[in-house]
Amino acid sequence: RKEVEQDPGPFNVPEGATVAFNCTYSNSASQSFFWYRQDCRKEPKLLMSVYSSGNEDGRFTAQLNRASQYISLLIRDSKLSDSATYLCVLLGFQKLVFGTGTRLLVSP
Amino acid sequence: NAGVTQTPKFQVLKTGQSMTLQCAQDMNHNSMYWYRQDPGMGLRLIYYSASEGTTDKGEVPNGYNVSRLNKREFSLRLESAAPSQTSVYFCASSGTGRNQPQHFGDGTRLSIL
Repeated sequence: RKEVEQDPGPFNVPEGATVAFNCTYSNSASQSFFWYRQDCRKEPKLLMSVYSSGNEDGRFTAQLNRASQYISLLIRDSKLSDSATYLCVLLGFQKLVFGTGTRLLVSP
Repeated sequence: NAGVTQTPKFQVLKTGQSMTLQCAQDMNHNSMYWYRQDPGMGLRLIYYSASEGTTDKGEVPNGYNVSRLNKREFSLRLESAAPSQTSVYFCASSGTGRNQPQHFGDGTRLSIL
């Protein structure tokens, strides 16, 4: 079983829609979690950290469910500029473990 | 705001050739990393350096060597390139601490013929 698993998508949504991605992880000892965003042929960039109590940054909400070992990312009021691949990332032993990403396509 | 700088951005090699990918960061970060990214595989850690003077293997170290030249620079060397090493290579750096994000360079697109 992969350490981090994500639905590769693509998720095709219209502008203004709400979309959610889930990510499951296998290492129950993982302590830190992140969502990164990667545009086509570009480097990954940190979108937000994921805190145990859940956290929000503008239109983005991240949640962590330790009991079920998954994290989620909710994007409200999708913009065309949100089109990208979203990478679920957790901190393993001294290093980050990346999921393969979920691709989001927002259309007019 | 240079951040993490990688050179070169593109390179084509023949099988058996050697080359070094350069990475430098100006954020005074202790930790540096080299990843490769292949379609459907996500980012895989090749080597990392938790601090100046130390290096450790990641998930896919075979065929690569690294040098942490100083706090700023972390290079990746392919001694004898193979077609299986065709990939996009990313260097990253981070500060010390559990929740420190990693900052990535623009990547090097490497093709081995």
